[in-house]
Amino acid sequence: GQNIDQPTEMTATEGAIVQINCTYQTSGFNGLFWYQQHAGEAPTFLSYNVLDGLEEKGRFSSFLSRSKGYSYLLLKELQMKDSASYLCAVSRASAYSGGGADGLTFGKGTHLIIQP
Amino acid sequence: DARVTQTPRHKVTEMGQEVTMRCQPILGHNTVFWYRQTMMQGLELLAYFRNRAPLDDSGMPKDRFSAEMPDATLATLKIQPSEPRDSAVYFCASGLVRGGGWVEQFFGPGTRLTVL
Repeated sequence: GQNIDQPTEMTATEGAIVQINCTYQTSGFNGLFWYQQHAGEAPTFLSYNVLDGLEEKGRFSSFLSRSKGYSYLLLKELQMKDSASYLCAVSRASAYSGGGADGLTFGKGTHLIIQP
Repeated sequence: DARVTQTPRHKVTEMGQEVTMRCQPILGHNTVFWYRQTMMQGLELLAYFRNRAPLDDSGMPKDRFSAEMPDATLATLKIQPSEPRDSAVYFCASGLVRGGGWVEQFFGPGTRLTVL
């Protein structure tokens, strides 16, 4: 099976930086996604890491260490609109014919609260 | 701006009734997923299709749930008979797998189901 852990809740200040960690245990690792989800809305794609290292995209960066089963999402210059849940999700290589990747297994999400 | 569409957005029904949810994936995507989200369990994978073929429905209670993809523009999730514990938000997601890995994956807006 798969096990994905991330903190339940974090609080940060507007304009600051916050790092949301995610640890996972899985076989056949195929990639790690981060999604943002505002209350009552669908998850929206933030990043996808397959190889070790840091991927930067504007104010958001995501890091992956496959050997440690560890990822983090870094949010800079925090804005009030960044208050949301952040979901870490792991993809495995498909066990089915044709290869490809399986559906995602999600962590429970980290509820991020931004304070003025 | 391509996006996944789902209908209905909201559904309230009584226990025992049949519920059908529909999804139109993004044109050109080769993988379609059905996920369910509840406060207690978070986001769970129910079933998914690749190139319209069902690959995995192990997350779905098969005695009452069924998922089909009659053509490339339509995926359906049916619950018959529905039960109060089925109340959740059901998300469809479509994605593109190429070369054994993900290129992208996007969620639809979800169907909020309430079974009384």
